[in-house]
Amino acid sequence: GAVVSQHPSRVICKSGTSVKIECRSLDFQATTMFWYRQFPKQSLMLMATSNEGSKATYEQGVEKDKFLINHASLTLSTLTVTSAHPEDSSFYICSATDRRDRDGYTFGSGTRLTVV
Amino acid sequence: AQSVSQHNHHVILSEAASLELGCNYSYGGTVNLFWYVQYPGQHLQLLLKYFSGDPLVKGIKGFEAEFIKSKFSFNLRKPSVQWSDTAEYFCAVNAKAGTALIFGKGTTLSVSS
Repeated sequence: GAVVSQHPSRVICKSGTSVKIECRSLDFQATTMFWYRQFPKQSLMLMATSNEGSKATYEQGVEKDKFLINHASLTLSTLTVTSAHPEDSSFYICSATDRRDRDGYTFGSGTRLTVV
Repeated sequence: AQSVSQHNHHVILSEAASLELGCNYSYGGTVNLFWYVQYPGQHLQLLLKYFSGDPLVKGIKGFEAEFIKSKFSFNLRKPSVQWSDTAEYFCAVNAKAGTALIFGKGTTLSVSS
């Protein structure tokens, strides 16, 4: 079946630095990728939607200059957390839809970001 | 805007007990409905989904869900749970294929052997 590889799975960074998270569709072309943030014991909150070759659409309240999303190819989307602060510590999950099956959503394993 | 409400935050059951997890959504139009499971340390996996047709949907691992339009509900059921069903369960909706899923807060299921 469809597989989405997300890495790193865990990252610890210092406050003020930037962190890049990658999300790759391994065996399908992902026309659309979604980035979520999950707080402990809470839901997955949609951060942004990215379509290959175009700018990401951010949800209200999500700082686009802080959470940079790039979807340069049909198999790769990246989320860069710039100038990270402790409050950015969270679990980030990507999801992708296959251009041949827009009803199917494949999720990455998530990235646990800790900013110290 | 769509929203999803899962009433049970944490459910504790013994093996062989029956399970029902509640999910209600808020949206005025046609929706697609999903249930996902997340085992510890793993990615979200689709249990089942409903787009149209028979409101009783059967999924993997013996799970099923019933769409009741009048109640805006899509409850997940399993007649007899196993210890291996211990996981986090998420209900999700979208209004159109290919658009973002909106998730409920999730329900933690703990099954004791």
